[in-house]
Amino acid sequence: NAGVTQTPKFQVLKTGQSMTLQCAQDMNHNSMYWYRQDPGMGLRLIYYSASEGTTDKGEVPNGYNVSRLNKREFSLRLESAAPSQTSVYFCASSVESRQPYNEQFFGPGTRLTVL
Amino acid sequence: AQSVTQLDSQVPVFEEAPVELRCNYSSSVSVYLFWYVQYPNQGLQLLLKYLSGSTLVKGINGFEAEFNKSQTSFHLRKPSVHISDTAEYFCAVSNNDMRFGAGTRLTVKP
Repeated sequence: NAGVTQTPKFQVLKTGQSMTLQCAQDMNHNSMYWYRQDPGMGLRLIYYSASEGTTDKGEVPNGYNVSRLNKREFSLRLESAAPSQTSVYFCASSVESRQPYNEQFFGPGTRLTVL
Repeated sequence: AQSVTQLDSQVPVFEEAPVELRCNYSSSVSVYLFWYVQYPNQGLQLLLKYLSGSTLVKGINGFEAEFNKSQTSFHLRKPSVHISDTAEYFCAVSNNDMRFGAGTRLTVKP
């Protein structure tokens, strides 16, 4: 039981390049999330998916797109990377986003640097 | 929308000393409260959560937190810390969505 997995662990991009961050969970959770973590700012929600087939914007969605490929997988895409997107990205999942008492389970993170 | 303020960005303490990490929240409706811990180069793990009932909540690794509705606080405490407690700690509040505080870096020194 791996929980939430993310690939890659590290990535360096040049400005303007694109990439996709992959996330998968094996806990049969309905809801999945993408956060970015920046020093002194905690975690900020980029996008989330309440259930398979749905996605919604979070607090900081600009410059990102997401795909909920199936119940297990939720990917985050940067179409044209900018230095401001240098951050650590975390994927998380929970049983059901409409039940706010549920905890979220986090992946190990992807450390992205945009030069 | 709800928000969370962690009052200390860094807390250095000596091993075996007590520690309190402070968290205040604001919300116009009832919320659920969480503390997560992030060890270096890892994701976040749940320490404890308050849903309802007793205002004193016990979590893993000897941590506990007290919910105070009148002061809108949810401070995290441990009576005696270990070197292994060195980590970043995040308070979070959840209603429609989960909002995280900026984090408190706890450093335990020998």
